[in-house]
Amino acid sequence: SAVISQKPSRDICQRGTSLTIQCQVDSQVTMMFWYRQQPGQSLTLIATANQGSEATYESGFVIDKFPISRPNLTFSTLTVSNMSPEDSSIYLCSVSGTASSYEQYFGPGTRLTVT
Amino acid sequence: SQQGEEDPQALSIQEGENATMNCSYKTSINNLQWYRQNSGRGLVHLILIRSNEREKHSGRLRVTLDTSKKSSSLLITASRAADTASYFCATEVTGGGNKLTFGTGTQLKVEL
Repeated sequence: SAVISQKPSRDICQRGTSLTIQCQVDSQVTMMFWYRQQPGQSLTLIATANQGSEATYESGFVIDKFPISRPNLTFSTLTVSNMSPEDSSIYLCSVSGTASSYEQYFGPGTRLTVT
Repeated sequence: SQQGEEDPQALSIQEGENATMNCSYKTSINNLQWYRQNSGRGLVHLILIRSNEREKHSGRLRVTLDTSKKSSSLLITASRAADTASYFCATEVTGGGNKLTFGTGTQLKVEL
């Protein structure tokens, strides 16, 4: 399975500011995704991070609020812009499409609190 | 939107007992994956079952899939206190481009 790291692991931010979360994989993967998990809830897909092109966003999520980059096959960033307390969540990146598997693996998550 | 509903929402058992969690979904799938999450941390991948498979085992885990009923179950045998966690099913919808849609989750508590 792929080894995935995320930075930062947690942060406390003031409303109106932005935070960029990094996701690094130890091997080249086909697909990278970003999910949000609000307190006490399940996971919701934000977007698919496409290498070398604009991300594909799910309904209810927009690029201005959650800009995503994916410059290569092992790295992606998610920015949470102009934050409000409602953005307090765990943000997780995931990957799939390694050499031998369709399984999707998740990073450890970034716990964001907006005050 | 949630593709899957899981039941029960919460389950409390004694160590050594078996735990069964169920997942239902709505549309045609390529595969279904089960995950464990401890205390709001990252998700641990447990098992993937493809749409043409009916049963799969991994250690103390047994997963079944019934595509005619659009349902899956996860059985943990001989549970341990360390199995205490939230368990989620996630479906890769046919034509969905490897995206996963998660169920609502089951909170399992295994007591000594």
